[in-house]
Formats: sequence, structure tokens, C-alpha cells
Amino acid sequence: QSVLTQPPSASGTPGQRVTISCSGSNSNIGSNPVNWYQQLPGTAPKLLIYSNNQRPSGVPDRFSGSKSGTSASLAISGLQSEDEADYYCAGWDDSLNGVLFGGGTKLTVL
Amino acid sequence: QVQLVESGGGLVKPGGSLRLSCAASGFTFSDYYMSWIRQAPGKGLEWVSYISSSGSSVYYADSVKGRFTISRDSAKNSLYLQMSSLRAEDTAVYYCAREQGSLGLFDNWGQGTLVTVSS
Repeated sequence: QSVLTQPPSASGTPGQRVTISCSGSNSNIGSNPVNWYQQLPGTAPKLLIYSNNQRPSGVPDRFSGSKSGTSASLAISGLQSEDEADYYCAGWDDSLNGVLFGGGTKLTVL
Repeated sequence: QVQLVESGGGLVKPGGSLRLSCAASGFTFSDYYMSWIRQAPGKGLEWVSYISSSGSSVYYADSVKGRFTISRDSAKNSLYLQMSSLRAEDTAVYYCAREQGSLGLFDNWGQGTLVTVSS
């Protein structure tokens, strides 16, 4: 059971804006940066957002991240069919002395 | 460009051992922390272990502590994961990943190698 809690699924139609939440605690999200990963079907995960709200080069600005307290969110605007993937939040946990991943959210583009 | 190529996966019986390797290229391997992350079939990602750039600091998930050992060889630009006392629940695709800047920030991943623990 992941200590970072994500909704198991999310959906939207092309062009819509969707958000995916990631809820943690003081020992992880509350005190460390949050990173987001996108995993397309049958492929390795890819870094999507780092340090709460930074995009690596090559990631479209349709993707954005935010953090407040012990929660973080990933927002995808102008939803496209190629955004259909699994999304994971992750970060360090000071109590566990390890990296935590959220359980993942499967995004479906209707 | 950065490349991480895992190898060593396969079928092993419960209680057995296996050594995974990750060959790194396209960057100065000795400058970076490295991690192993796994994904059971149809499940989410689980961090397994990390090793500091010098190899002097290692951390493990509780689920593998005492059974897995992470190591690196900078002369060979390689990362390793020695797995012993394997259990059915260790069945997963194992990815090696480069850490960039802060713990939990994996900016490059390998393609993964499948480990199946079954009798």
C-alpha cells in the first residue's frame, strides 16, 4: 500500500483539462519535492515534472505541477489522445529513508 | 545521449539468486546516484534501492533489505543488483534509473529486465 495516495483512474475528452492528485504526509510531500512520471503502455516511465512544478526540456507546457502542504497535483490541459498513460507521483520520505511512489493513476482519453 | 541497458533477468526458483546489471553510457557515470526500481506485472512502481555516486551510501526498501545488494563499478560504468532469497513477490520488471539532483528525481530510465520467480 503506497503512502502517497493517488486516484486509480481519471478521464477526460480531447481538449479538456484534467488534474491528478497525490496526497502524502509531513515526512514526504510536506518536506521534500515531488516529481511526476508518465508511463505510456509497454514503455519505461519518463520524467514529466520535477521539483514540484518544473518541466524537463521537451515536455509540453500543457503539463504543469503544483504542491501545497502535504498534497501535490498534476494538471494536463488541452488533453490529447497520446496523453493516455499511467501517471505516478514520487518523492523522498524522511521517515522511511527511501523513495515513495504513488499507486499510479490511469488516464483515459475518451 | 544517455543510455541505460539492463540485463540479467530471467526465471529463477523461489529461494534462488540472480544478479542484474545495468550498463551506462553517454554521461559521467561516477557523478551520479543510481537506483533500481521495479514494477510487478500489472502493478505500480516500487523503488528498490539507491547507491550514491561514490558507492559509500546505499539505501534499500524494507521489502528487500537483507536480501538484495546494490553495487557499482565506475571503471565499467555499471550498476548491479545482487538478489538472493528470491520470493514470488519479487517477480517484476526491474529498471535502473539515474538520479538527478535530488532523491526521487529519476531523469533517465533503462528499458527494464524481467525477473520471474516461480517453481
